[in-house]
Formats: sequence, C-alpha cells, structure tokens
Amino acid sequence: GAVVSQHPSWVICKSGTSVKIECRSLDFQATTMFWYRQFPKQSLMLMATSNEGSKATYEQGVEKDKFLINHASLTLSTLTVTSAHPEDSSFYICSLGTGTHYEQYFGPGTRLTVT
Amino acid sequence: AQSVSQHNHHVILSEAASLELGCNYSYGGTVNLFWYVQYPGQHLQLLLKYFSGDPLVKGIKGFEAEFIKSKFSFNLRKPSVQWSDTAEYFCAVNNNNDMRFGAGTRLTVKP
Repeated sequence: GAVVSQHPSWVICKSGTSVKIECRSLDFQATTMFWYRQFPKQSLMLMATSNEGSKATYEQGVEKDKFLINHASLTLSTLTVTSAHPEDSSFYICSLGTGTHYEQYFGPGTRLTVT
Repeated sequence: AQSVSQHNHHVILSEAASLELGCNYSYGGTVNLFWYVQYPGQHLQLLLKYFSGDPLVKGIKGFEAEFIKSKFSFNLRKPSVQWSDTAEYFCAVNNNNDMRFGAGTRLTVKP
C-alpha cells in the first residue's frame, strides 16, 4: 500500500499562534487527501477533503478560515491551524485516497497540544 | 448521511478466546467496507476490506469479517485472540469517497 508521512509527529504551541502540519505521500500520486481529527478515546472525524490544485471541501461545522488546507502538489498537503486555542488540542490524521474502491492510506498522525 | 455504529465500546478477553466485534451502517446504496486497527501509539492500519464478491473476507493476522447486506452489518471476527491484538478497532464505510468511521471498539486481551 501507499506510504503516508506526517510532520511533525507532535507539537506544542501557545494559544494564539499558528501551526502547520504536513502530510506527504511518499510513493503515490495523491490527487485527493483527507484530514481527520481524533479526540481522545473517540473516533476519527472527517474535517475536510483536499484536492490537488483546488480548494478543499470542508465538512459542516469545520471553520475553513481556522483550518487552512493547501494541496499544491501531488505529494504534499498541509493543514494550518490558525490562532490556535486549547480546544484545538487533538490528534490530526491525514490520509490519501487511492481512487480504487475509495481505499485510504493513513498517516501516523500529529498530536497538537495548545497551551 | 450515512452513519456507522459499533456496538461494543470496550471488550476484554482472555487469550485464546474468540472475538466478534459488531458493526452496522445506515447507508442503503453500494458501499465499500473496512476494518482498521490502531495499536497503542501507532497509526491506523488496514485489517481487511470488502468491495464485492464473497461476503466473507479474510484479512491480516487471522481476522475475518462477514458482510451481511440484509442486516447492514460487517462484523469482525477472530477465532483465537492473542495479547498482541490489544488495540482499538474501527469499522468504516465509504460511499463515493465519503468515509465514515464508527466510534471504535477498544479490545483488551489479558495474557
């Protein structure tokens, strides 16, 4: 299967600052990538679908101005959490869509802690 | 919108016991079904998947799942669990790139 990496694996930032999370597809052209959020002991919640070269599609209730997604190449999508607050602390996971039966390959996740 | 239900929040078993984790979904059209596992501190890994054909699918590490269309179910099974199966298990349903996850079931296997 495809290999997906995320950087950083964990980050601590102060309230009010912005944090950028990178999601890279190492061996697959990722036309579509997905960003999820996972709260402790809860399931994954889809935040947005990121399409290469176009604007991301956000799920209902997800603030697009707060969670900026850029997918400028077939191997890289970034999620920027702007003006972070403690309630944004969570585990952020990206995945890439293969287009084959809509199977997705997941990155290892990024743990964000906002103090 | 489609939804996915996993009935068991936390399952505790002894080694060698049999496992069955329930998964039901609400979407009535054609769907692709997945089970993912998340070991402690690790990322999601695909256990098995169903797209079409034989409704009984076999995955890695001795896991299997059965798709029962009439019941909208895709239960995960393993005849004999091991301590190393301790993990979080997620059922997922994908329709046209709309992937929805169940809440997850935490499996604890006691040695």
